Amino acid sequence: DAGVIQSPRHEVTEMGQEVTLRCKPISGHDYLFWYRQTMMRGLELLIYFNNNVPIDDSGMPEDRFSAKMPNASFSTLKIQPSEPRDSAVYFCASSAELAMPYNEQFFGPGTRLTVL
Amino acid sequence: SQQGEEDPQALSIQEGENATMNCSYKTSINNLQWYRQNSGRGLVHLILIRSNEREKHSGRLRVTLDTSKKSSSLLITASRAADTASYFCATQTFTGANSKLTFGKGITLSVRP
Repeated sequence: DAGVIQSPRHEVTEMGQEVTLRCKPISGHDYLFWYRQTMMRGLELLIYFNNNVPIDDSGMPEDRFSAKMPNASFSTLKIQPSEPRDSAVYFCASSAELAMPYNEQFFGPGTRLTVL
Repeated sequence: SQQGEEDPQALSIQEGENATMNCSYKTSINNLQWYRQNSGRGLVHLILIRSNEREKHSGRLRVTLDTSKKSSSLLITASRAADTASYFCATQTFTGANSKLTFGKGITLSVRP
């Protein structure tokens, strides 16, 4: 398996633009997580899905952020409009329900977002 | 909010020495996990210890868990330069369908050749 795949790996955009980050979880995994990592705040959970359904979005910072999982093999995190304070590394991770509740998470390589 | 807090924030040791990293948390947990992050990469799972376990080994890694003190330690024996990375503890409290991990801010380990 190729592991969790994220695209793009780097994104540079200007304030006000829409940004879409993409994630393909490991095949067969039932959980998908979106995290944001910054030096100041560390690793923050934004939202997670179970079987394509959002379970907890309490970490989504504001209405500018939205996430979808239209099927088991694809998820998007969208920021519209983007702001400089959104600059961070965004990680997607997945895990298997069969191992619950002792399930490790498998992380993608991350998308480094810079908003100018 | 951060559940796990690692200590120290940064650690620098000589190759061959042992590295000990600590993690404290606030609420009851089902399990505690340690992850490693190399610079510019995603996190990689190292080891998981369940709340009813006290010690676990994996290769050069040894993890302990003291639920009475709400603390865990990660020991890396005979460190190598390749162990240079950030290390995170993460706690999991399972309630129904809720399966999220809460990560600490991490410990930066530098192993000098």
